[in-house]
Amino acid sequence: QVQLVQSGAEVKKPGASVKVSCKASGYTFTSYGISWVRQAPGQGLEWMGWISAYNGNTNYAQKLQGRVTMTTDTSTSTAYMELRSLRSDDTAVYYCARDYGDLRDWGQGTLVTVSS
Amino acid sequence: EIVLTQSPDFQSVTPKEKVTITCRASQSIGSSLHWYQQKPDQSPKLLIKYASQSISGVPSRFSGSGSGTDFTLTINSLEAEDAAAYYCHQSSSYPYTFGQGTKLEIK
Repeated sequence: QVQLVQSGAEVKKPGASVKVSCKASGYTFTSYGISWVRQAPGQGLEWMGWISAYNGNTNYAQKLQGRVTMTTDTSTSTAYMELRSLRSDDTAVYYCARDYGDLRDWGQGTLVTVSS
Repeated sequence: EIVLTQSPDFQSVTPKEKVTITCRASQSIGSSLHWYQQKPDQSPKLLIKYASQSISGVPSRFSGSGSGTDFTLTINSLEAEDAAAYYCHQSSSYPYTFGQGTKLEIK
């Protein structure tokens, strides 16, 4: 069955960077894109961006442009999301999801806490 | 950016009741509208794709309808396990967007 397994929780100081991984299994990795979605404590879902696992094309949310980079490693079927210049309002659970227009499978989430 | 507005924000319902959640898009998105259920401390789960297409393993009491700008998620004969937040999501154009969510409480 399809599984997306994300890396563990992180605690970062303001201004630092974080890189979250998402290892896919159970399907042909390059046949789908990966979207990243985050959820601040007690809040709704926010789409961060998408990457094609086929050719690496990306599309980022305007508000994160310049701070976020999404990449993939097809040799290990792993997607990565790096967020730089972290601020306190970046504290959230970060999810990866297999993207076929709909987001049909989700990782378990990675809590990123930004605190001084 | 396409704005999705859900209603209601919160609903308290009794088991076996029929529930309707609506999602309105700020411009036409065809059928590129999907519904998710999220229980506390869990990842979102896809319930309905492309407005009305069912998902394997999702109970048949969940159904979706609509196209263009107005969409509906219907839960027939609500069960206690349906207590959750529900979100709509559009993939018609980037940036993808989500509705603000509807929290269902079971009385």
